[in-house]
Amino acid sequence: GAVVSQHPSWVICKSGTSVKIECRSLDFQATTMFWYRQFPKQSLMLMATSNEGSKATYEQGVEKDKFLINHASLTLSTLTVTSAHPEDSSFYICSAYRGQAFYSGNTIYFGEGSWLTVV
Amino acid sequence: DAKTTQPPSMDCAEGRAANLPCNHSTISGNEYVYWYRQIHSQGPQYIIHGLKNNETNEMASLIITEDRKSSTLILPHATLRDTAVYYCIVRSNNDMRFGAGTRLTVKP
Repeated sequence: GAVVSQHPSWVICKSGTSVKIECRSLDFQATTMFWYRQFPKQSLMLMATSNEGSKATYEQGVEKDKFLINHASLTLSTLTVTSAHPEDSSFYICSAYRGQAFYSGNTIYFGEGSWLTVV
Repeated sequence: DAKTTQPPSMDCAEGRAANLPCNHSTISGNEYVYWYRQIHSQGPQYIIHGLKNNETNEMASLIITEDRKSSTLILPHATLRDTAVYYCIVRSNNDMRFGAGTRLTVKP
């Protein structure tokens, strides 16, 4: 089946620094990727939709200048948490569906997730 | 996307079938029902999806009622490794939005 991979699996950074998380589709091209955030004991919250070659679409309440998303190729999207603070510590997850054309029966696959701890 | 309702938690004995219900009474004609599960500290794992007909794969079976207002995910022989949070999602748009899910605990 389709595989989506994230890197790093976990990262610790100092408050005020920036950290980049990569999301790759390993065996398919993904025009669109999605980024989620999950706090402990909570469900996944959609942060933004990443589109190859264009600007990401952010969910209401998500700061686009803080969470920079770049989708430079059909197999890679990156999420950069800028000027990270302890409250940004969370589990970040990406996902993608195969191909370019969307229909609601097109399965979305998720990465393994990336744990971010800001100290 | 249509809202889904799932019980917050369920227990199942190891080796028995686990039947996880999901209500989606406001589902519309072009919306698929998806099931994912999330084992602690991992990304969600795709299980199965369907539109109208019942579906079966190597992991599970999905039973969708004729009026499509509810569905049941069946894990035929639950193992301890099936302990996870199971999410039922009704999707018509480009993205996938998660509710609270059902925490299934498989007990020896």
